[in-house]
Amino acid sequence: GAVVSQHPSRVICKSGTSVKIECRSLDFQATTMFWYRQFPKQSLMLMATSNEGSKATYEQGVEKDKFLINHASLTLSTLTVTSAHPEDSSFYICSADQRGLGTEAFFGQGTRLTVV
Amino acid sequence: GENVEQHPSTLSVQEGDSAVIKCTYSDSASNYFPWYKQELGKGPQLIIDIRSNVGEKKDQRIAVTLNKTAKHFSLHITETQPEDSAVYFCAASRQAAGNKLTFGGGTRVLVKP
Repeated sequence: GAVVSQHPSRVICKSGTSVKIECRSLDFQATTMFWYRQFPKQSLMLMATSNEGSKATYEQGVEKDKFLINHASLTLSTLTVTSAHPEDSSFYICSADQRGLGTEAFFGQGTRLTVV
Repeated sequence: GENVEQHPSTLSVQEGDSAVIKCTYSDSASNYFPWYKQELGKGPQLIIDIRSNVGEKKDQRIAVTLNKTAKHFSLHITETQPEDSAVYFCAASRQAAGNKLTFGGGTRVLVKP
C-alpha cells in the first residue's frame, strides 16, 4: 500500500523556538495533505488542509501564523510550529490522498512534539 | 459541519468474544466511512471502510455495517485476539479522497487473554 512518512518521529524543543515537521508521500503523488493534532487520549482534530501549490486552508481556531504549512511539491508538505509553547506539545499526524484515484487517505506515523 | 459520535469510549472483552463499536454522524451528505486502528505512539491505520452505496462489508474477522437512513455505522470484530487491543476510530467524509475526515472520539479496546 501507499506509504506516508513523517519526520521526525519525536522532537523536543525549547519554548519560543520553531520546529518543522515533514510529511512525505513516498510512492505516490499527493494532491492534498491534511494535518491533524491529537492530544493524549483524545481524537484526531483536523488543523488544516494543504493543497500543492496553493495556500493551506485552516480550521476554525487554528492560528495560521503559528502553524505554517507549506506544500511545495506533490510529495512533500511541511508544518512549522512557530514560537512554540508547552501547550503546543501534542502528537501531530499528517495524511495524504492519492492523486486521481479516489482512494482513502494514508496516514503518517505521527510526530510527538514536546515543548519544554 | 459534520459531527461524529462514537460509543463506547472503552470496551473490554474476553479473547475469542466479539467487539462492537457504534458511530453516528450528522451530515447526510457524508458518503465515505472508514475505520482506523491506532496503536500507542503510532499513526492511524485503515482497517476497513464502507461507502454509502453499500450496506455491509466484511474482511475476515472485521465487518462494518452502514444504515444511511439512521445515519449510523458499526464495526464488528469477531474472535478477538490480544493483538486487537488498540484504540479504534470511526470517521466520515463527503468523499474518499480530497475531503477532510471528521473523526469520532475513539474507543479503547482491551482484549483480555
